[in-house]
Amino acid sequence: GDSVTQMEGPVTLSEEAFLTINCTYTATGYPSLFWYVQYPGEGLQLLLKATKADDKGSNKGFEATYRKETTSFHLEKGSVQVSDSAVYFCALSGKRVTGGGNKLTFGTGTQLKVEL
Amino acid sequence: GAVVSQHPSRVICKSGTSVKIECRSLDFQATTMFWYRQFPKQSLMLMATSNEGSKATYEQGVEKDKFLINHASLTLSTLTVTSAHPEDSSFYICSARDLASGQETQYFGPGTRLLVL
Repeated sequence: GDSVTQMEGPVTLSEEAFLTINCTYTATGYPSLFWYVQYPGEGLQLLLKATKADDKGSNKGFEATYRKETTSFHLEKGSVQVSDSAVYFCALSGKRVTGGGNKLTFGTGTQLKVEL
Repeated sequence: GAVVSQHPSRVICKSGTSVKIECRSLDFQATTMFWYRQFPKQSLMLMATSNEGSKATYEQGVEKDKFLINHASLTLSTLTVTSAHPEDSSFYICSARDLASGQETQYFGPGTRLLVL
């Protein structure tokens, strides 16, 4: 079945440091890939997505490139801020479900802590 | 952007009672809503897919008589945990797919933390 593997956290960085959170996946076919972010006490928010190989998703300074050859979708940001502290989830959109839409499979999440 | 709300945000109940959790799409219509469960430091696990006007589709291993789902309108789905027990304590999160967008994006609610004593 589909699965997503993320690096374990927490990841602790100083402000303005470079961020990489690794994500690899296993899936049949050609899934869409997502990064969601969960700020403390809030629900998940879509951060970025890519729907096909070599696509790059980007938002708020974060980027991730869909690499089919390595089945990866690593999240990067050149300069993190304290406000980026949150839990980041990698996910893939797999088989379709009854009624429309596709089932999302999530990684375990990686907590990011950014300090001054 | 699309907003999904959940109510209540937190609930504590006694073992054996039933708890209802509401999930609403506030500014869009959702024919499909999803219910997830999240254990501490673990990923979100899909429990069931809720379709407006029809029966929910449950994931393998999820008891449909234990977790009753009703999707009576295009903006509301409810999850009822029946005869709750301490092992049902968890964080329950819903999401909704925007019908009009025609896209795969799911919008998530803020979650409901359930504690069964």
